[in-house]
Amino acid sequence: EAGVTQFPSHSVIEKGQTVTLRCDPISGHDNLYWYRRVMGKEIKFLLHFVKESKQDESGMPNNRFLAERTGGTYSTLKVQPAELEDSGVYFCASSHPRDPGRGTDTQYFGPGTRLTVL
Amino acid sequence: RKEVEQDPGPFNVPEGATVAFNCTYSNSASQSFFWYRQDCRKEPKLLMSVYSSGNEDGRFTAQLNRASQYISLLIRDSKLSDSATYLCVVSLYGSSNTGKLIFGQGTTLQVKP
Repeated sequence: EAGVTQFPSHSVIEKGQTVTLRCDPISGHDNLYWYRRVMGKEIKFLLHFVKESKQDESGMPNNRFLAERTGGTYSTLKVQPAELEDSGVYFCASSHPRDPGRGTDTQYFGPGTRLTVL
Repeated sequence: RKEVEQDPGPFNVPEGATVAFNCTYSNSASQSFFWYRQDCRKEPKLLMSVYSSGNEDGRFTAQLNRASQYISLLIRDSKLSDSATYLCVVSLYGSSNTGKLIFGQGTTLQVKP
């Protein structure tokens, strides 16, 4: 079974430019999460999709970030315009639909996209 | 105050040593608890879930103390391949129903020959 994949693996852009990150979850996983790790800090939650709907976007830093998951399959995270503080590693994770009797689901992480804003 | 606090280390130990990591979490509504492992420049991978009764997986033992809001991980007979960053992770699933994970900053372990 293929794992979570992310594209690109690295992106270097200049301040003010636009970048779009893509995540392909494990097939059949309804839950898709975006996280970010900036240098020296812990990994932080950005948002959560259930299928194509945004379940929780409380972690999105500001309106320069736009996440979509059209059709409930892959997701994109667009940063426009990028700022220096957006540099970091962006992880995507996916999980099975939650079985209420089993508690929280295991999240499988992709390899991340390393974004550098100059 | 961070939601999940860990000693960042690094912990430098010889092969075969026993090493223990601890973390504390601030939200008493936390429902699920995990240890993830992250190798350098790789993604986090689930090492084990942590239950109130304590649980063991081979050389790894995890403990949870809800009253103290404290989680621990014990690694026995350390191997070179155990060198990594260990992330303490909690989830509020059960009260918020979003499943988002809350990470500590991680504890770095370096096992030396």
